[in-house]
Amino acid sequence: QVQLVESGGGVVQSGKSLRLSCAASGFTFSSYTVHWVRQAPGKGLEWVAVISFDGNNKFYADSVKGRFTISRDNSKNTLSLQMDSLRPEDTAVYYCARAATLNQNYFDPWGHGTLVTVSS
Amino acid sequence: DIQMTQSPSTLSASVGDRVTITCRASQSISSWLAWYQQKPGKAPKLLIYKASSLQSGVPSKFSGSGSGTEFTLTISSLQPDDFATYYCQQYNSYPLTFGGGTKVEIK
Repeated sequence: QVQLVESGGGVVQSGKSLRLSCAASGFTFSSYTVHWVRQAPGKGLEWVAVISFDGNNKFYADSVKGRFTISRDNSKNTLSLQMDSLRPEDTAVYYCARAATLNQNYFDPWGHGTLVTVSS
Repeated sequence: DIQMTQSPSTLSASVGDRVTITCRASQSISSWLAWYQQKPGKAPKLLIYKASSLQSGVPSKFSGSGSGTEFTLTISSLQPDDFATYYCQQYNSYPLTFGGGTKVEIK
């Protein structure tokens, strides 16, 4: 079945770096745009970043631009998020999510999420 | 950026009730709107896309309507499994944005 599994979350000090991964299976990963979406504890959903099917186009939320880098390895069916200069306000569950269709950016499916905690 | 405003933020309802959640966009997004359901500790689940199209496998008690800047999600005959938080999301343009969420609670 179509599945996304995140990993790499943990506790990190403010100013440090962390790299998240998302392993995709059950579909042709190289055909789909994929996203990162986050949710701070007790808060709503916030879109973070997107990468096109071929990796050539990337967009970021203003809140992470210049600090986070999205990338993908289509040979390994893997999405990544390199998070540098982390801040306490980056504390959240990070979800990877696939664009539901080849050209529309609503999300289905979602991974189960990985928790990132940034301590000050 | 397109701001998405949901109302109410909390809704208290009883089993069997019909409930409606509203989502307003700060500018026209045509019909490029999705609705999600999220339960505590779980990832969001897609319910509706393109404002009114029901995702495969989602019960027909969920329905969406609207276009432009005003949208609604309606749940007919609320059941215990429907008590959750609901989010709208616009995908008209980047940055993609979500509404603040509507928590549907048991009255």
